[in-house]
Amino acid sequence: QKEVEQNSGPLSVPEGAIASLNCTYSDRGSQSFFWYRQYSGKSPELIMFIYSNGDKEDGRFTAQLNKASQYVSLLIRDSQPSDSATYLCAVNSPSGGYNKLIFGAGTRLAVHP
Amino acid sequence: EAQVTQNPRYLITVTGKKLTVTCSQNMNHEYMSWYRQDPGLGLRQIYYSMNVEVTDKGDVPEGYKVSRKEKRNFPLILESPSPNQTSLYFCASSFSAGGLEQYFGPGTRLTVT
Repeated sequence: QKEVEQNSGPLSVPEGAIASLNCTYSDRGSQSFFWYRQYSGKSPELIMFIYSNGDKEDGRFTAQLNKASQYVSLLIRDSQPSDSATYLCAVNSPSGGYNKLIFGAGTRLAVHP
Repeated sequence: EAQVTQNPRYLITVTGKKLTVTCSQNMNHEYMSWYRQDPGLGLRQIYYSMNVEVTDKGDVPEGYKVSRKEKRNFPLILESPSPNQTSLYFCASSFSAGGLEQYFGPGTRLTVT
């Protein structure tokens, strides 16, 4: 079973700091990587995706991908209390002739004022 | 508004009473999928569909059925629900037949007593 691993947290950061969320994956054939944000009791919301090695920035969010080391990370700059949520890493796993998304169990982020 | 809708949002039922959870998307997406989310286990795929009349099993298909007769609809059927199917269910869709960049519905919280 291909796996996606995340630290469950909680990761506690002060308001205005950088939050760094990490994810490792086992399937070397994976090509696409996604970060979802999930507020308690709500559905996952796609916030970032990255397909190439390196960094991808979107507003306060930066996704970083290192395929050689099989890890992907999400940086949140100037963290706000509204960023407090569980962040799910998802990795495509090409197997059996189709792509499927494998989700990590998520990292809970708590941003305190 | 582009969205994935699910009904009902909350359902309490008894063991063995057949039920259907509907899912509909208005984005003309090729791919649709059902997940269940349980504490500590993350999101697990139940069934997916890459196109009309094309469905296949995900990781945890036992006890569930699906159909894809129209592109926009992908209902989840529990023929004889059991308490271990008590969970939070999400429908998702993607423009990509490979299931990348999936967008989630609001979720259905099911309790089977």
